[in-house]
Amino acid sequence: GNSVTQMEGPVTLSEEAFLTINCTYTATGYPSLFWYVQYPGEGLQLLLKATKADDKGSNKGFEATYRKETTSFHLEKGSVQVSDSAVYFCALHNFNKFYFGSGTKLNVKP
Amino acid sequence: GAVVSQHPSRVICKSGTSVKIECRSLDFQATTMFWYRQFPKQSLMLMATSNEGSKATYEQGVEKDKFLINHASLTLSTLTVTSAHPEDSSFYICSLYQGRYNEQFFGPGTRLTVL
Repeated sequence: GNSVTQMEGPVTLSEEAFLTINCTYTATGYPSLFWYVQYPGEGLQLLLKATKADDKGSNKGFEATYRKETTSFHLEKGSVQVSDSAVYFCALHNFNKFYFGSGTKLNVKP
Repeated sequence: GAVVSQHPSRVICKSGTSVKIECRSLDFQATTMFWYRQFPKQSLMLMATSNEGSKATYEQGVEKDKFLINHASLTLSTLTVTSAHPEDSSFYICSLYQGRYNEQFFGPGTRLTVL
């Protein structure tokens, strides 16, 4: 079947620290992979995506590479800001359905 | 990207009553919308796929007679929780799917509390 597993939070970092949020998936076929972000009081927004193996999605300083060999799509950012505090969801799209991880809350302290 | 609104944002009701949640696409015609349910500290669980002009497709384990979905126009889908019980309390989120770009645009969610 299809499923997404991401690291539990919360993750607490100081401003300008390096961020990694792990995401692994199980899927048949060739899924597309996504990271969504949910800021407090708002709906989920697409952060970045990758549609095939070895693709790198990037946006707002965040990056994630679609690794088929390790079935992973880890989210990274070199220097986080307080404004990055939010909940991050890893997701995959396969056969017209989306499957989400449980979300990882990120707290960035000044 | 598309803008999606949900109404109400928060509702409290008594057990046994029905609650309707609206999901509107403000600037995009949506042939497909998804309805999700989110429990605290858990992932979004797909409840059903709502297709304009046809019956919704429900996921396994979701009661279609309890969670009525109507997608009568390209800009509006509604989810009605019938005869709500405390276990139906949750955060309900809709999204519209733009197949051309393989992207979803989410509403802000509706917090339902059943007393």
